[in-house]
Amino acid sequence: EDQVTQSPEALRLQEGESSSLNCSYTVSGLRGLFWYRQDPGKGPEFLFTLYSAGEEKEKERLKATLTKKESFLHITAPKPEDSATYLCAVQAGANSKLTFGKGITLSVRP
Amino acid sequence: GAVVSQHPSWVICKSGTSVKIECRSLDFQATTMFWYRQFPKQSLMLMATSNEGSKATYEQGVEKDKFLINHASLTLSTLTVTSAHPEDSSFYICSAPGGAGVGETQYFGPGTRLLVL
Repeated sequence: EDQVTQSPEALRLQEGESSSLNCSYTVSGLRGLFWYRQDPGKGPEFLFTLYSAGEEKEKERLKATLTKKESFLHITAPKPEDSATYLCAVQAGANSKLTFGKGITLSVRP
Repeated sequence: GAVVSQHPSWVICKSGTSVKIECRSLDFQATTMFWYRQFPKQSLMLMATSNEGSKATYEQGVEKDKFLINHASLTLSTLTVTSAHPEDSSFYICSAPGGAGVGETQYFGPGTRLLVL
């Protein structure tokens, strides 16, 4: 059974204080690992897709990396508007279903 | 990126009534769409996979007679909550893959908040 574990559950940062969010996964035949941002009362917003170990993608203050066991979402010099829940999901085998982690709630204080 | 819409965004209904939620892919076609529900402070739980032109596939523990799914066209899937009860109150979200292959990014709708009184 595919499993996704995100840590920590919650993270509070001061504006400008860089940090990383972790997503550990156990799957058979990874087809893709996805990061989403979700604001309260809204649907998840797509951030990144990673397909193979060693791959990295960047967007503004965010950078996602992937190894064979985990993915990190690095946040550089975060701003209050980066406060949200960050979800990690995997897609494995021939199935296009996503398995989600529980999410990491990030709060950035000004 | 691909855009997915949902309607309505909010619905309040009385216990025992049925509620229909629409999910549309606005600028792409989707032979498959997914329906999730999310309880407060919890992650997304997949309910079912909607397949255009064929029956939906439900996850274990999801009542297919209660949550009716119809994938009427390549851009529209509907979820009908039949005989809704207060425990069905939740945030319902749909998604659609932006391409045809496995590994394609899934794009999510804005969600529908259902409150059953």
